[in-house]
Amino acid sequence: NAGVTQTPKFQVLKTGQSMTLQCAQDMNHNSMYWYRQDPGMGLRLIYYSASEGTTDKGEVPNGYNVSRLNKREFSLRLESAAPSQTSVYFCASSKRRDPTDTQYFGPGTRLTVL
Amino acid sequence: QQQVKQSPQSLIVQKGGISIINCAYENTAFDYFPWYQQFPGKGPALLIAIRPDVSEKKEGRFTISFNKSAKQFSLHIMDSQPGDSATYFCAASRGGADGLTFGKGTHLIIQP
Repeated sequence: NAGVTQTPKFQVLKTGQSMTLQCAQDMNHNSMYWYRQDPGMGLRLIYYSASEGTTDKGEVPNGYNVSRLNKREFSLRLESAAPSQTSVYFCASSKRRDPTDTQYFGPGTRLTVL
Repeated sequence: QQQVKQSPQSLIVQKGGISIINCAYENTAFDYFPWYQQFPGKGPALLIAIRPDVSEKKEGRFTISFNKSAKQFSLHIMDSQPGDSATYFCAASRGGADGLTFGKGTHLIIQP
C-alpha cells in the first residue's frame, strides 16, 4: 500500500516548455487534489476532482490543466511553463468529497522553471 | 485576501517546553479546522482536527484550543521533543466546499 505517489520528484523546465505531473493513489479514494506550496505562502489549491470524471478549479488554477484519468490517477499539466510556476507541487486524496475527510498527501514534485 | 492567518512564522522551543502556534480566521462559514505536520522533503500529514462545537481537543501531547467568538484556534504541543521539529500548518474548510484553506505555516525547532 504505497498511498499517494507522485512523479517526477524533481524537474527543471525552461520558460515555455510543457510537462505533466503524475499522481496516483491506491487507497480507492474518490477525491483528489493538486496543491502548490511556495515559501511563506502555505499550500494553495490548484484543482480538485471530487470524483472520477469531474474536475473543478481551486484558488490558483491559471496556467494549469488537469485530467482525472481514472479513479486512481490525477495529472496536472503545465502547457507553457513560466518562472512564476516554480514551486513544490503536492497531490492529495481523500475518501469522500467532504472537507472533514482526511487528505493524504504525496511526497511532492519540486519544479523549477528557468 | 488571506482567510487563515498563522503565527508565528518560526518558533524555537527548548526540549520539554510547550510549543504554541496560533491561527485566526475570517470566514464564519468555516466549520472544520485541521492541523497538518510536515517534515522536510515530505508531504503534509494530518495531526489533529477540531469542529467548532467543542472548545478543546486533545490527542496525546497535542491539543487544539478553539475560541469561536474570537475566531481563533491554536495548537499546543506539550513536553516538546526534537522529533516534533517540523513545519506546522493550520487549515480551515467549510461544509459543501472542497479543498482546504491553509495558513502560511510555522517552522518549529525543538532544541535538545
